[in-house]
Amino acid sequence: DVKVTQSSRYLVKRTGEKVFLECVQDMDHENMFWYRQDPGLGLRLIYFSYDVKMKEKGDIPEGYSVSREKKERFSLILESASTNQTSMYLCASTQSGSPNTEAFFGQGTRLTVV
Amino acid sequence: GDSVTQMEGPVTLSEEAFLTINCTYTATGYPSLFWYVQYPGEGLQLLLKATKADDKGSNKGFEATYRKETTSFHLEKGSVQVSDSAVYFCALTFPQGGSEKLVFGKGTKLTVNP
Repeated sequence: DVKVTQSSRYLVKRTGEKVFLECVQDMDHENMFWYRQDPGLGLRLIYFSYDVKMKEKGDIPEGYSVSREKKERFSLILESASTNQTSMYLCASTQSGSPNTEAFFGQGTRLTVV
Repeated sequence: GDSVTQMEGPVTLSEEAFLTINCTYTATGYPSLFWYVQYPGEGLQLLLKATKADDKGSNKGFEATYRKETTSFHLEKGSVQVSDSAVYFCALTFPQGGSEKLVFGKGTKLTVNP
């Protein structure tokens, strides 16, 4: 059973803390993505990575950074958490180069910054 | 840039009603098109897909046809059930290798009443 696993379902952090959200996939996929999901705004791409150590900014990268040291793991880092980063965070992965490529998603991490 | 526009929700239907959720896209080239579904408390999962013009994707009674001339990929189901209540996302990607962004619409929340 293919899987994308996010390290936490729920997280509560204080303003100014450094926050790490971890995502691991077991499908040997090249591409990995971090989105945030907010009511009325849908899914907005924060960062994506198409290979180890490679990353590209998405639509809303400000206040975030990412790390991809191994193919199976893609980490999202909130350098200094703020209340406007309270959201649902979704990780996804895809196989590169196939027109039939399907995205596999983790269960999501609901982050609350207080 | 590439984008997806889908029907604003929420949509509320009675069981056995006909469903249409409109989706149009703007893209340079010929993307692959997808519908994803998110059930309450879960991550997104693939519902159906189409990779070239005039392809019809289908699954669980849902259908969508890739219309290049109208740049559309509308989701339809002839008779909805309460269990279809979820959020539906239209999406596109370019499976070209290298940088393959996944672009999503904002999502349409469907509620089906008994």
